[in-house]
Amino acid sequence: KAGVTQTPRYLIKTRGQQVTLSCSPISGHRSVSWYQQTPGQGLQFLFEYFSETQRNKGNFPGRFSGRQFSNSRSEMNVSTLELGDSALYLCASSLAPTSGKDEQFFGPGTRLTVL
Amino acid sequence: AQKITQTQPGMFVQEKEAVTLDCTYDTSDPSYGLFWYKQPSSGEMIFLIYQGSYDQQNATEGRYSLNFQKARKSANLVISASQLGDSAMYFCAMRGGVRDDKIIFGKGTRLHILP
Repeated sequence: KAGVTQTPRYLIKTRGQQVTLSCSPISGHRSVSWYQQTPGQGLQFLFEYFSETQRNKGNFPGRFSGRQFSNSRSEMNVSTLELGDSALYLCASSLAPTSGKDEQFFGPGTRLTVL
Repeated sequence: AQKITQTQPGMFVQEKEAVTLDCTYDTSDPSYGLFWYKQPSSGEMIFLIYQGSYDQQNATEGRYSLNFQKARKSANLVISASQLGDSAMYFCAMRGGVRDDKIIFGKGTRLHILP
């Protein structure tokens, strides 16, 4: 069974540009979450999608957006990039968000560098 | 608001010794789940163990066990017989059940296993 895949793995952009990151969950998984990881702030939750609907959102500005497609693949978009957006962006998939055991499987991440 | 605290930024442990990584949490949600993840230097996040708030027994997965003390709101990870391959960053995480089911992560503990 293939794991979570994220593309691209590395990205270099300049301030003001916009970027789209892609995440393909494990087959059968319908929930996808996105996280931003930086040395200073650690792992911060961005948003969670389930069945094409955003069900949770972290405390990030509106420049960060996402969506999920009918095949559960998800994309996140960052517009008007700032230097502080440089980070490792991790995607995680799970069967469904429940109050029980909800093991998330993480992808390898996309390393975004903003110059 | 929910909160996860990992007070040990770094630890050095001799190979084959047992290790305890501390995690305390705060939530007003009666139902929640606690997770531990490992992040080696390669960057991928690896799920280790899960404990539900209503689970009567401490969770165990191979060499990993979770010392769950609900009244103290602590969920320490215990690694028995540590190995060199255990050197990594370890994150404690929590998902609430009813009021707020976003997943939040602690800042992490970097574990170094010495030969």
